[in-house]
Amino acid sequence: KAGVTQTPRYLIKTRGQQVTLSCSPISGHRSVSWYQQTPGQGLQFLFEYFSETQRNKGNFPGRFSGRQFSNSRSEMNVSTLELGDSALYLCASSLEGAYYEQYFGPGTRLTVT
Amino acid sequence: GQQVMQIPQYQHVQEGEDFTTYCNSSTTLSNIQWYKQRPGGHPVFLIQLVKSGEVKKQKRLTFQFGEAKKNSSLHITATQTTDVGTYFCAGPTNAGGTSYGKLTFGQGTILTVHP
Repeated sequence: KAGVTQTPRYLIKTRGQQVTLSCSPISGHRSVSWYQQTPGQGLQFLFEYFSETQRNKGNFPGRFSGRQFSNSRSEMNVSTLELGDSALYLCASSLEGAYYEQYFGPGTRLTVT
Repeated sequence: GQQVMQIPQYQHVQEGEDFTTYCNSSTTLSNIQWYKQRPGGHPVFLIQLVKSGEVKKQKRLTFQFGEAKKNSSLHITATQTTDVGTYFCAGPTNAGGTSYGKLTFGQGTILTVHP
């Protein structure tokens, strides 16, 4: 079974730009969660999507948004990038959500200059 | 909101020594999950504990879930250089009474093993 894939793997953007990251979950998994990982803050939960609906949202500004498509693939968007948005963005898929084991993708390393 | 705390934040050991990381939740958990992230990699699921007082072993790794289901530990016996990485615990909560919950990760323990 193929694992979770994320594209792109690396991204360099400048302040004020916007970015879209993509995540393809494991086949059959309906839940996709997004996390921001930085050295100082650990794994911070962004949001979770299940069957195209956002079920949970973390404490991030409205510049961070996401969506899920009917095939469970998910995208997250960050608008008006700030230097502090530089981080590893991880997506994780699971069968049904938080009560189940999470399978993480390799992440997208975003650098904002 | 729920908080999941892990200690220690860092642990340096000599190869062959034992290692333990502790996880404490501010609320009772339905289960606790453990993940390992190698340097430069992504978190990989290790195990899930569900029952109060549960103990599970995976070779040199021993996982425990507290009786009150608010704390957990991961113990590695005779560490090897392949054990290097960050170990995270994570617990789901259903604040708001939902059935699907939200997963909260601890800050992780970074393990360094000196050969």
